[in-house]
Amino acid sequence: AQSVTQPDIHITVSEGASLELRCNYSYGATPYLFWYVQSPGQGLQLLLKYFSGDTLVQGIKGFEAEFKRSQSSFNLRKPSVHWSDAAEYFCAVGARPGSARQLTFGSGTQLTVLP
Amino acid sequence: SQTIHQWPATLVQPVGSPLSLECTVEGTSNPNLYWYRQAAGRGLQLLFYSVGIGQISSEVPQNLSASRPQDRQFILSSKKLLLSDSGFYLCAWSRQGATFYGYTFGSGTRLTVV
Repeated sequence: AQSVTQPDIHITVSEGASLELRCNYSYGATPYLFWYVQSPGQGLQLLLKYFSGDTLVQGIKGFEAEFKRSQSSFNLRKPSVHWSDAAEYFCAVGARPGSARQLTFGSGTQLTVLP
Repeated sequence: SQTIHQWPATLVQPVGSPLSLECTVEGTSNPNLYWYRQAAGRGLQLLFYSVGIGQISSEVPQNLSASRPQDRQFILSSKKLLLSDSGFYLCAWSRQGATFYGYTFGSGTRLTVV
């Protein structure tokens, strides 16, 4: 079974600083990988996804993530954080297509942005 | 385009009262449907998922139940709420088939049991 670890429960950065949120996964085959963002009191919104091909994927809101098979990682990055990026971020790994129980989520990383 | 609706947005219920949360999906057919719960300060807990009408899989035994009376309707219920049922409930859907696009989430229901 797949699993996801987000080692940082809470990260604080200053506005304009760069950001990297860590995600490590465990899965026996080539994974499907996702990053979601959740603003307070809202549902989860898809930021980006990796299925295959180029290991650096671009998402919405200026985010990108890099798949590193050798490190079993899929870290999320943004070069310059905006105050509106304050939210909770979830990494997820997907099982093989056709399986109903498809996504396993990490426990989330809460991002605080200082003015 | 596909949309997912979830209601109500907030709910305050007394202990021992019944619960019914509804989720509907538009613009697609035969979706996989999911109910998640987020307790305060905790991650996403998968409660139930469904691959078709009347087909419900339970991930965690508890005070809740789910039903899928129609293809694009998913209902979360309880006969008697407990204080521990408080939390943020999220519905999600995904496509069935060989291509996986990920989940699309509803906007959630904040349930407070008092």
